[in-house]
Amino acid sequence: DAGITQSPRYKITETGRQVTLMCHQTWSHSYMFWYRQDLGHGLRLIYYSAAADITDKGEVPDGYVVSRSKTENFPLTLESATRSQTSVYFCASMTSGGVTDTQYFGPGTRLTVL
Amino acid sequence: DAKTTQPPSMDCAEGRAANLPCNHSTISGNEYVYWYRQIHSQGPQYIIHGLKNNETNEMASLIITEDRKSSTLILPHATLRDTAVYYCIVIKAGNNRKLIWGLGTSLAVNP
Repeated sequence: DAGITQSPRYKITETGRQVTLMCHQTWSHSYMFWYRQDLGHGLRLIYYSAAADITDKGEVPDGYVVSRSKTENFPLTLESATRSQTSVYFCASMTSGGVTDTQYFGPGTRLTVL
Repeated sequence: DAKTTQPPSMDCAEGRAANLPCNHSTISGNEYVYWYRQIHSQGPQYIIHGLKNNETNEMASLIITEDRKSSTLILPHATLRDTAVYYCIVIKAGNNRKLIWGLGTSLAVNP
């Protein structure tokens, strides 16, 4: 009963490198989300996906790429990491986007870009 | 979606009720009030939501004023494990794909 998992949990990388954060859910939820959380800010939505092969931008999409070839996976790629992308990243999923559906969050990935 | 206002921090004694207020004076008729919490270093966790009536579940109670301009989340017997940041979010029906997260209320439950 893994639910929603993220890997790696911690990552240190250098400016300019490509980094991929993984998110996997076992519930077959239609919706998946990526957020970042920084001190002094609430969670901010980066990208979300309503189903396999359907993705849409959130509030802060610049510098990030997502894909969703399978319902259960939603990787987030930083194509050329910058120091401003140092943050804690949370993945979430939601059943079907119904009127009162709620989001379920993973444990987070702490990313440091040097 | 309507904006919410929460106090930045609160304290509560262990075993006592924790009452966390939220102001949402511009809420409209089809907007729900949701509460999530985030325990340190973990992902947020859904607690409860409501539209107009008071709601209760195994985690908490939600009291919404008659004019719906404010609400209170009640943790009836707070424990140390309830120490967390609590977020009040107002969401238009069907728009729960794009949640707007504020800074929430940091609740410290003290022994």
